[in-house]
Amino acid sequence: GAVVSQHPSRVICKSGTSVKIECRSLDFQATTMFWYRQFPKQSLMLMATSNEGSKATYEQGVEKDKFLINHASLTLSTLTVTSAHPEDSSFYICSARPSGNSGSDYNEQFFGPGTRLTVL
Amino acid sequence: GQNIDQPTEMTATEGAIVQINCTYQTSGFNGLFWYQQHAGEAPTFLSYNVLDGLEEKGRFSSFLSRSKGYSYLLLKELQMKDSASYLCASTDSNYQLIWGAGTKLIIKP
Repeated sequence: GAVVSQHPSRVICKSGTSVKIECRSLDFQATTMFWYRQFPKQSLMLMATSNEGSKATYEQGVEKDKFLINHASLTLSTLTVTSAHPEDSSFYICSARPSGNSGSDYNEQFFGPGTRLTVL
Repeated sequence: GQNIDQPTEMTATEGAIVQINCTYQTSGFNGLFWYQQHAGEAPTFLSYNVLDGLEEKGRFSSFLSRSKGYSYLLLKELQMKDSASYLCASTDSNYQLIWGAGTKLIIKP
């Protein structure tokens, strides 16, 4: 099946630093990728929808200047948490929708393994 | 509006059957997913229903009634490894996932 990787899997950083998380679709192209955040014992919260070659669409309440998303190719999207603070500590998960899946087609998203961010 | 409801937690016995219900109100409904998520891991796909009826896949089955805005995930022959959270997610007219809060399933020996 389709595989999505994320790097790093775990990161610990000091408050005020920036952290970049990569999301790659390994064996398929993904025009659209999604970034989620999940706090302990809570459901996934969609942060933004990333479309290759265009600006990301952010969900209400998500600061686009703090969470920078770049989707420069059909297989790579990056999320940069700028000036991270302890409250940004969370599990960040990306997913990718294969290009060509639209309309009445099967519109599954394939998830990366997630990145555990801890900000001290 | 968009709304997904599922029970917060359920407990079942190893070897038994459990049904996890999900109700949804989704504009432009385009199908419903069930995902399994173990603690500290990303969700993994279980099933996708877009038409009414029951889809069976091994020990797991998923049912959908579009007219009732209702779905359930049925797990048979429960194993200890089935202890996880089960997330129900509908898709809207833009094929965006709308997530339920998840049902934590606890399996007891």
